[in-house]
Amino acid sequence: QKEVEQNSGPLSVPEGAIASLNCTYSDRGSQSFFWYRQYSGKSPELIMFIYSNGDKEDGRFTAQLNKASQYVSLLIRDSQPSDSATYLCAVRMDSNYQLIWGAGTKLIIKP
Amino acid sequence: GAVVSQHPSRVICKSGTSVKIECRSLDFQATTMFWYRQFPKQSLMLMATSNEGSKATYEQGVEKDKFLINHASLTLSTLTVTSAHPEDSSFYICSARGSDSSGNTIYFGEGSWLTVV
Repeated sequence: QKEVEQNSGPLSVPEGAIASLNCTYSDRGSQSFFWYRQYSGKSPELIMFIYSNGDKEDGRFTAQLNKASQYVSLLIRDSQPSDSATYLCAVRMDSNYQLIWGAGTKLIIKP
Repeated sequence: GAVVSQHPSRVICKSGTSVKIECRSLDFQATTMFWYRQFPKQSLMLMATSNEGSKATYEQGVEKDKFLINHASLTLSTLTVTSAHPEDSSFYICSARGSDSSGNTIYFGEGSWLTVV
């Protein structure tokens, strides 16, 4: 069974601090890794994707991938209350681009 | 970025009736579309994968005769919930994959809230 694991949270972070979200996956053959943000009652929106080991930065967001340890993380710098949402980790397994989803981590940024 | 439009955003239907949800890729050709269902406070659950011009592939436990998926063109896929029951009430979301070589362009529609009364 191919799995993607996330801590459900909630993860509470003070405004302005760095929020760190983690995700582990079971299939070593996984190719691409995605972070989505989902506000309550809304559809997920893509934050960023990564497919090479190391860090990838986009504005306040940094994705980190470690294929040897099978984890991917998302760092949010200078956290804002508007970052409060559920963050979903997704892993692409095969050529049909089907995504395997984690259950999501609820992030709360406290003003 | 690419836009996927999903309609209706909210629908209420009576038990036993059918309801159709449309998913359109507005500025790209979607070779593959995915349909998800999400119950409150739960993660996305993939229902089926549809490729343009072919039959959808349903996930285990999803009744293909109840959830009819049609992907007749590169820009439109529809999900029809037939003989709806209150337990079908959920948030239904489509996503679409573009046809570029990176394979990383997967975009979500806005989602459709279905309430069966």
